[in-house]
Amino acid sequence: EADIYQTPRYLVIGTGKKITLECSQTMGHDKMYWYQQDPGMELHLIHYSYGVNSTEKGDLSSESTVSRIRTEHFPLTLESARPSHTSQYLCASSQGSVGELFFGEGSRLTVL
Amino acid sequence: GQNIDQPTEMTATEGAIVQINCTYQTSGFNGLFWYQQHAGEAPTFLSYNVLDGLEEKGRFSSFLSRSKGYSYLLLKELQMKDSASYLCVTMDSNYQLIWGAGTKLIIKP
Repeated sequence: EADIYQTPRYLVIGTGKKITLECSQTMGHDKMYWYQQDPGMELHLIHYSYGVNSTEKGDLSSESTVSRIRTEHFPLTLESARPSHTSQYLCASSQGSVGELFFGEGSRLTVL
Repeated sequence: GQNIDQPTEMTATEGAIVQINCTYQTSGFNGLFWYQQHAGEAPTFLSYNVLDGLEEKGRFSSFLSRSKGYSYLLLKELQMKDSASYLCVTMDSNYQLIWGAGTKLIIKP
């Protein structure tokens, strides 16, 4: 069973606010990912990490930043939220070169 | 470029069989995944194919033909809980995942 957790599950904030979406996994996986997904659309990779102190931008960095100070923790920060950031954010982890991804339940963000 | 094509939506009847097709173009190939995603939820892993042929897992089977850039997911004995989107995902030569937009499967009684 997957053990990957995201908080908050739902968040409504005003434009210009700084927010951090939390993601933690207890499986000891080296690889972690942040995806953005709008309803009925494909997942877009925002950031990924292959281990501690390793972070890379995906094809949709969306003006956000991530950090990987500990294996189990991979937070995503938006410095100044905009309405265009309204979406669902999915955190995932995997192990090995072709391991399956385990997803958290998602954080649904609405920026007014 | 890299591209995945799968039908946007399909409808099937409870108890029947449905095949969801996927064609892909990638820069190199390190396998193809199928994920299931219920509305409002996160995707969950269904299958992984890296060699040609059919992989069977219970009611679900996945087929791959690398020469044709083609895969399908076969669902047997459909149940109402199978109503979901099914995502075709390829892995390129850099082990990067390319996600399709998914096929929304509607099951009718």
